[in-house]
Amino acid sequence: GAVVSQHPSWVICKSGTSVKIECRSLDFQATTMFWYRQFPKQSLMLMATSNEGSKATYEQGVEKDKFLINHASLTLSTLTVTSAHPEDSSFYICSAIGPVYNEQFFGPGTRLTVL
Amino acid sequence: SQKIEQNSEALNIQEGKTATLTCNYTNYSPAYLQWYRQDPGRGPVFLLLIRENEKEKRKERLKVTFDTTLKQSLFHITASQPADSATYLCALDEGGYQKVTFGTGTKLQVIP
Repeated sequence: GAVVSQHPSWVICKSGTSVKIECRSLDFQATTMFWYRQFPKQSLMLMATSNEGSKATYEQGVEKDKFLINHASLTLSTLTVTSAHPEDSSFYICSAIGPVYNEQFFGPGTRLTVL
Repeated sequence: SQKIEQNSEALNIQEGKTATLTCNYTNYSPAYLQWYRQDPGRGPVFLLLIRENEKEKRKERLKVTFDTTLKQSLFHITASQPADSATYLCALDEGGYQKVTFGTGTKLQVIP
């Protein structure tokens, strides 16, 4: 139980285009989901906290107009990287709070490469 | 915010030995501390959670200790196996709001 999926697993896009990444909790309802970014050999950096039915809360330094988050249902949150640039190339990972309080279940990640 | 320090150098140990990984934090003691495993190109997988009022937690071959005086957690893998090779991350809560801050991780290599 407590499986989180992400789609796509990898994407390559041209600079200036927008990319949408989906995060789904497959067998539980997640009122809270988190979006992280991880650069090579670095730790996960929290970008934003996504609560179902309300606006996402962004961490300091993360541009909310560039990284659009929509948590439309209890099982789906999406991250859209708008007008992507090569510096946005990274490993994006989502997580969802599972049935046990404070236990986060992570998706497999999405590798974004912007050319 | 918390500064979390994990040994950035890789840890190489012989199969069958006990691996011990360290996580130190600098500020307030968190309500709980978590350990995750991350394989290359994959998301982290939750392993263990230990609360501030717990000294030790065990799960199969895994053991976690939490010393709020030293501001340190130790993560042990006994009878290590090559399949245990991965990066291990510790994470601390941020004031009980379900947000956690991750350390940079320690890469463990178990040599057959």
